Amino acid sequence: GESVGLHLPTLSVQEGDNSIINCAYSNSASDYFIWYKQESGKGPQFIIDIRSNMDKRQGQRVTVLLNKTVKHLSLQIAATQPGDSAVYFCAGRNSGNTPLVFGKGTRLSVIA
Amino acid sequence: ETGVTQSPTHLIKTRGQQVTLRCSSQSGHNTVSWYQQALGQGPQFIFQYYREEENGRGNFPPRFSGLQFPNYSSELNVNALELDDSALYLCASSFVGSSYNEQFFGPGTRLTVL
Repeated sequence: GESVGLHLPTLSVQEGDNSIINCAYSNSASDYFIWYKQESGKGPQFIIDIRSNMDKRQGQRVTVLLNKTVKHLSLQIAATQPGDSAVYFCAGRNSGNTPLVFGKGTRLSVIA
Repeated sequence: ETGVTQSPTHLIKTRGQQVTLRCSSQSGHNTVSWYQQALGQGPQFIFQYYREEENGRGNFPPRFSGLQFPNYSSELNVNALELDDSALYLCASSFVGSSYNEQFFGPGTRLTVL
């Protein structure tokens, strides 16, 4: 099965700095990963995804890096803003329409 | 906003009661997945519905059941409620057939069991 976890439960960064949130997974068969942002009282919001045939994908201010050798992925947020404060989850799954397996989440706090 | 809606927003029940939660999927999506999110935890997969049939189930007992309707909306039913069922219940819709199967979540229903 899939086990997805995060290295740190909380992360505090200064406004304007870059944030890096890490995630490890256990199932080498996992081929699709998603990062979600969840603000208080809301459902998870899709940020960015990456397939296993890629090692990097960029979005607006966000970059996901995937290292299949060590089964690790990270979310980098550039120029972190107060609105980025939330809990961030990584989720992974095997091929096809199999269920997502979520980690426990990292709470990102942005210090103004 | 994702276009996925859930009702009700909040619900309080007592042990032993039954509850029905509802979800309307995003326009164009044909699959609905339900997740349970306990406080401080990540969402846990309950089950998924595709073409009005259950299409995958997580480690949840049979008292958790669901339906999907022809318009792709869905219900989650929980019988014989237990205190540990208190959680945020999330539904996510997706389109089977797209290359990425992105799942978009609704805002959730906060269930409190007393």
